[in-house]
Amino acid sequence: AQTVTQSQPEMSVQEAETVTLSCTYDTSESDYYLFWYKQPPSRQMILVIRQEAYKQQNATENRFSVNFQKAAKSFSLKISDSQLGDAAMYFCAYRSARGGSYIPTFGRGTSLIVHP
Amino acid sequence: EADIYQTPRYLVIGTGKKITLECSQTMGHDKMYWYQQDPGMELHLIHYSYGVNSTEKGDLSSESTVSRIRTEHFPLTLESARPSHTSQYLCASSVRDADLSYEQYFGPGTRLTVT
Repeated sequence: AQTVTQSQPEMSVQEAETVTLSCTYDTSESDYYLFWYKQPPSRQMILVIRQEAYKQQNATENRFSVNFQKAAKSFSLKISDSQLGDAAMYFCAYRSARGGSYIPTFGRGTSLIVHP
Repeated sequence: EADIYQTPRYLVIGTGKKITLECSQTMGHDKMYWYQQDPGMELHLIHYSYGVNSTEKGDLSSESTVSRIRTEHFPLTLESARPSHTSQYLCASSVRDADLSYEQYFGPGTRLTVT
């Protein structure tokens, strides 16, 4: 079974600074998807960014980018120019690309605190 | 925000009561999920459905049941609520998308307290 590990229960960053959230995963598969989801306090969880394992290029969405290291099974999220609205729980998730496998495995989450 | 809705948002109920948590989505997604999440903690999958009349139990043992009679509706029922059921319940849905990632769309959650 795949596992997703987020080793940082909590991270903090100053507004306008850059922060990196770590995620590692364990799999024997070669084709899969990786996700970062954001869950703000009392608000809906939303997708921040996704990465397809067969794509070499790291995904980027505005201030959010990933460092995908397939051999190391690492998928970190970098948030640049942090804003107060970035404060949230961040969940890393893995989903196999095997047919019939639709359920992601989530990590335990990292709570991001943004200081003004 | 995604078109997935949950009611009620907050519920305080006494032990032994039967409750149904509602989840509906207007996106036509065939796959739907229920997660249990304690505040600030990880998500635990308790039920999922890949289509009408299809339901399965998830990884976390749960005393709840679900039904999927219509594509857009996936209610979760607790026949007899207990204090151990106090938690947040998140509903989610997904569908085959352009990159086949099956991104999940989440509802706002129901925060349940059983006294």
